[in-house]
Amino acid sequence: KAGVTQTPRYLIKTRGQQVTLSCSPISGHRSVSWYQQTPGQGLQFLFEYFSETQRNKGNFPGRFSGRQFSNSRSEMNVSTLELGDSALYLCASSFRQDVNTEAFFGQGTRLTVV
Amino acid sequence: AQTVTQSQPEMSVQEAETVTLSCTYDTSESNYYLFWYKQPPSRQMILVIRQEAYKQQNATENRFSVNFQKAAKSFSLKISDSQLGDTAMYFCAFRARVNRDDKIIFGKGTRLHILP
Repeated sequence: KAGVTQTPRYLIKTRGQQVTLSCSPISGHRSVSWYQQTPGQGLQFLFEYFSETQRNKGNFPGRFSGRQFSNSRSEMNVSTLELGDSALYLCASSFRQDVNTEAFFGQGTRLTVV
Repeated sequence: AQTVTQSQPEMSVQEAETVTLSCTYDTSESNYYLFWYKQPPSRQMILVIRQEAYKQQNATENRFSVNFQKAAKSFSLKISDSQLGDTAMYFCAFRARVNRDDKIIFGKGTRLHILP
């Protein structure tokens, strides 16, 4: 069974640009969550999608958005990039949206904004 | 609001020793789950162990066990007979459903070095 796949693995962008990150969950998983990981702030929750609907959202500006497709694949978009957006972006998938359901993580996308 | 605190930013132990990583949390919820995740240099977060708050018995997974003290809101991870492959960043995490919001809250992590 394939794990959670995130593409691309590495990305370098310039300030002001926009970027789209992709996450393919484990087959059969309908819940996808996104996290931003930085050395200073640690892991911070961005948002969660379940059955194509955003169910939860963290405290990030509107420049951060996402969506989920009918096949459960999810994309995350960051517009007008800032230097502070440089981070490891992790995606996690779960079979269902439930507190006792294990979340499986991808290897992340390392975004560097220059 | 739920918070998770890991007070040890970094630790080092010799191979084969036992090490305990600390974690405290704050919540007003009574039903929740606690997790320890491991993030090796490959960056992939791996679930190490999970504890359900309503279960008094401490969870155990091979060399990994937890000391769950619900009243003290403490959830420490013990690694016995540590191995070089245990070198990683360890995150304590909390998950509960509050007003349909059940995101995972992570601590800042403890970087663990297992020395040969």
